[in-house]
Amino acid sequence: VQMTQSPSYLAASPGESVSISCKASKSISNNLAWYQEKPGKANKLLIHSGSTLQSGTPSRFSGSGSGTDFTLTIRSLESEDFAVYYCQQYNEYPPTFGAGTKLELK
Amino acid sequence: EVQLQESGPGLVKPSQSLSLTCSVTGYSITSNYWGWIRKFPGNKMEWMGYISYSGSTSYNPSLKSRISITRDTSKNQFFLQLNSVTTEDTATYYCARYYYDGTYYYSVMDAWGQGASVTVSS
Repeated sequence: VQMTQSPSYLAASPGESVSISCKASKSISNNLAWYQEKPGKANKLLIHSGSTLQSGTPSRFSGSGSGTDFTLTIRSLESEDFAVYYCQQYNEYPPTFGAGTKLELK
Repeated sequence: EVQLQESGPGLVKPSQSLSLTCSVTGYSITSNYWGWIRKFPGNKMEWMGYISYSGSTSYNPSLKSRISITRDTSKNQFFLQLNSVTTEDTATYYCARYYYDGTYYYSVMDAWGQGASVTVSS
């Protein structure tokens, strides 16, 4: 299953809200996860099952979608949110990842 | 709190084998599933395979003939071996734990190591 993320780069300011899209090449039900990658830190699982926040994920993060179209939304950006975000499907073997979205400070 | 740490050579010659260790603390590898994922230059990520709590394994078909994942439960470590490497295997290699909700294991990684950078070059 091919996962297409957009945009590749996104510039925003603290306090703004942003959305990242992830599209699957075929239906994956809601079997989609979102991860956050920051330099020098272990990757963090933010959301699984399309919209279920992992324990410890701030409530300003939300996930939506099912089938082929998914969205990660971050409301009221904080400085710690500037990072790279990946989606990953786990509906079909092997699991596959999107190419990542780099969220930069404007 | 579970912690994972990758270790191994940072430079491997073409045609040789890449070997990495994942050392796990705070959680037994005889529970859960444990995987290897790699990120290529340019940020493409690839799931490589896993080893389960029972020692069973599953590999990405794209690597099946070259990859082996094993473990040492006495040291709470699991290992990646990738044979016949080429420059296209240059990547950052991550070990990770699968998410378990108390009933099912999911191919979702809820704990990651910080990654080990491996360059394949002569």
